[in-house]
Amino acid sequence: DGGITQSPKYLFRKEGQNVTLSCEQNLNHDAMYWYRQDPGQGLRLIYYSQIVNDFQKGDIAEGYSVSREKKESFPLTVTSAQKNPTAFYLCASPGLSGNTIYFGEGSWLTVV
Amino acid sequence: AQKITQTQPGMFVQEKEAVTLDCTYDTSDPSYGLFWYKQPSSGEMIFLIYQGSYDQQNATEGRYSLNFQKARKSANLVISASQLGDSAMYFCAMREGQNNFNKFYFGSGTKLNVKP
Repeated sequence: DGGITQSPKYLFRKEGQNVTLSCEQNLNHDAMYWYRQDPGQGLRLIYYSQIVNDFQKGDIAEGYSVSREKKESFPLTVTSAQKNPTAFYLCASPGLSGNTIYFGEGSWLTVV
Repeated sequence: AQKITQTQPGMFVQEKEAVTLDCTYDTSDPSYGLFWYKQPSSGEMIFLIYQGSYDQQNATEGRYSLNFQKARKSANLVISASQLGDSAMYFCAMREGQNNFNKFYFGSGTKLNVKP
């Protein structure tokens, strides 16, 4: 089945460490997005990519980095510069018509 | 200014009754799309319904309907015959522009609790 796969589902990070969240899609979509969600809150855009080898900062990009070397993959690195990284992270990709957004199952990141 | 506003942080509804979740949006682009997503406690985002800005009819999908009032810039979700499984967070979202390369904006969500 086509879709978006995120891994890991749960991740614990020590303070000062970088961690990378994986996002893979087999939908053949050009655009991919990363969102952050804090408990009881809405989604905030971290980074988005409209095409391979190109990406733009979203509303809360500080402390995060991304790459888009392949169409299928859009990994997110949470760096040690991100002061409060504990959150739920969602990877998404809009449908070709723009009439829907496909989401991965999300990754829960906890700093210990 | 907020692109999407959901003014109801939490709602209660009795099982089998209908409930309306409010959503207002802000855009000057004549072409846009409006979405509703359901997020249960597991975290997955479940697509419910879509309304295009040029659509003449209100969108419906089973028990879900979108009350689209363009002049008021509102896109309320109506759930008929609520079920216990409808208890979840609900997010309204908007795509500005015509294609899938535009950013999508999400509201802060409404937590719906269905009482037996």
